[in-house]
Amino acid sequence: GNSVTQMEGPVTLSEEAFLTINCTYTATGYPSLFWYVQYPGEGLQLLLKATKADDKGSNKGFEATYRKETTSFHLEKGSVQVSDSAVYFCALRMKTSYDKVIFGPGTSLSVIP
Amino acid sequence: EPEVTQTPSHQVTQMGQEVILRCVPISNHLYFYWYRQILGQKVEFLVSFYNNEISEKSEIFDDQFSVERPDGSNFTLKIRSTKLEDSAMYFCASSRTGEETQYFGPGTRLLVL
Repeated sequence: GNSVTQMEGPVTLSEEAFLTINCTYTATGYPSLFWYVQYPGEGLQLLLKATKADDKGSNKGFEATYRKETTSFHLEKGSVQVSDSAVYFCALRMKTSYDKVIFGPGTSLSVIP
Repeated sequence: EPEVTQTPSHQVTQMGQEVILRCVPISNHLYFYWYRQILGQKVEFLVSFYNNEISEKSEIFDDQFSVERPDGSNFTLKIRSTKLEDSAMYFCASSRTGEETQYFGPGTRLLVL
């Protein structure tokens, strides 16, 4: 079945460090890919998305590129801030009606000053 | 910017009691979803709803669960007889079409004692 795998956390970085959170997927067909973020005590927010191969999603300094050949959608940010501390979920959704979002297990990021 | 809202933010109930979780999807959205996240675990799909009927449901969504759109704005999840293992964060989501991005509400944290 369709699934998402993410790098294990927690990840701890110093402020201004470079961030990469790896994400790979397994899907029959070509899904849309997403990164959602969950700040402490809050709900899920869409961070960025890409709907087809080679698309790059970006938002708030975060980027991820849809790589069909490696079935990956790694999240990157050049310089993290303390306010980026959150849990990041990679997710996919097949492009058929009614279909569910399938989430990865989440990666917890802590950024220390 | 329009957003999905959920009430209550927190609910504590006794095992065996009925609970109703409420959601107000984004106003021009037609597709509605419930997900749950047990503490520290993955976000899991429960059910999707379109045109006043369930489109898809997971194995978690058994006879104890039901959904309803009682009027033009609310979307509810009812758990008839809560169990300890129903303790989780419940997220509502909506999308304008079946193919478009799902937007999530802030969640209701349910604790069953």
